[in-house]
Amino acid sequence: DSGVTQTPKHLITATGQRVTLRCSPRSGDLSVYWYQQSLDQGLQFLIQYYNGEERAKGNILERFSAQQFPDLHSELNLSSLELGDSALYFCASSPLAGGSSTDTQYFGPGTRLTVL
Amino acid sequence: GDSVTQMEGPVTLSEEAFLTINCTYTATGYPSLFWYVQYPGEGLQLLLKATKADDKGSNKGFEATYRKETTSFHLEKGSVQVSDSAVYFCALAVSGGSYIPTFGRGTSLIVHP
Repeated sequence: DSGVTQTPKHLITATGQRVTLRCSPRSGDLSVYWYQQSLDQGLQFLIQYYNGEERAKGNILERFSAQQFPDLHSELNLSSLELGDSALYFCASSPLAGGSSTDTQYFGPGTRLTVL
Repeated sequence: GDSVTQMEGPVTLSEEAFLTINCTYTATGYPSLFWYVQYPGEGLQLLLKATKADDKGSNKGFEATYRKETTSFHLEKGSVQVSDSAVYFCALAVSGGSYIPTFGRGTSLIVHP
């Protein structure tokens, strides 16, 4: 158990809908990272937040957005869903802002999103 | 850009066999190298890492050596167990920026009793 929790575990929805994925980082960790894992794209970094502020951005679509709240939990919002958005979405947390080999990321168990 | 190439799986072995999973990388800077493991139904866990050339990372009987001359970071284990069945990801991260890992596609390992 990494200490990172994600809810829900599974989500099934329809095209065009909007969903929210939630992540609670390990106690004391200030950074939250979001990744998408799909069969065709592999594991892709989406976005990082550090202490409430956006820190780094990866291959995140404009239909997707995220935020980190004062209690450090984070939410990833996915809108106008398409079939191709079906994937595993992982959250990870780390103690610091990233940027060094000492700041290890700890991954949650993931949310499996299925878009029908 | 930065990239990681891993051997395609699945790799299927009998218990106590020797394991090698190949990983090569391309990086614009001087990367740190990682191996992560993903057990069924779980998130990724850091297995080992190396931050400079000729460093050897090791954990749980697994080891990998950072070879700058061949841009490689192959994962090895002398005697695998059924419990090692998982997906293994090689990754790199370059200092000086956000240090976000770039992952390979993953290699599935299946160990039979």
